[in-house]
Amino acid sequence: NAGVTQTPKFQVLKTGQSMTLQCAQDMNHEYMSWYRQDPGMGLRLIHYSVGAGITDQGEVPNGYNVSRSTTEDFPLRLLSAAPSQTSVYFCASRLGTVAGPQETQYFGPGTRLLVL
Amino acid sequence: KNEVEQSPQNLTAQEGEFITINCSYSVGISALHWLQQHPGGGIVSLFMLSSGKKKHGRLIATINIQEKHSSLHITASHPRDSAVYICAPNYGGSQGNLIFGKGTKLSVKP
Repeated sequence: NAGVTQTPKFQVLKTGQSMTLQCAQDMNHEYMSWYRQDPGMGLRLIHYSVGAGITDQGEVPNGYNVSRSTTEDFPLRLLSAAPSQTSVYFCASRLGTVAGPQETQYFGPGTRLLVL
Repeated sequence: KNEVEQSPQNLTAQEGEFITINCSYSVGISALHWLQQHPGGGIVSLFMLSSGKKKHGRLIATINIQEKHSSLHITASHPRDSAVYICAPNYGGSQGNLIFGKGTKLSVKP
């Protein structure tokens, strides 16, 4: 199993540009999520999905869109990049049963995004 | 607001020392996770606790539900333990979303 994969590893954008961060998992996990990690702060939840066709907002959803058309893929779209979105982005997944809080989360390697 | 506090923020130790990292949270939880973030950035799950104590190799995690406190211990620390250790309580709910602490940066010197 490849686990959770993310592309690209690093990206530079200009303010106003749009882009999609890709996330895929091959573990047949129902629950997938996107976090951003900023210096001096804990990981913060952007969006999450409990299954194909179902998404919901997390703590910091503004400026980001997600979709979940398949179980495997959960892309994160930046509609119009802003310098405040400079961050490291992590995708994660877990099995997604009723035992959710007690399930292991698997993280992707992260995407470093710099918005100029 | 559900909060999590970790201490210390930074920790430098000599190889072989016993390490303790603390985590306090504000309200009742369903479970608490300890994660390790390597210097290269990757994050891996170390433990999930809902009560008591768990041990994996030189790592021990404990939780006191009444005190709303968890600790991560590393025995016989080694330079390869150098990483950021993150506490993440899960306050439950159907989604089971985690709340993450800011992390404790551990540096173990040879």
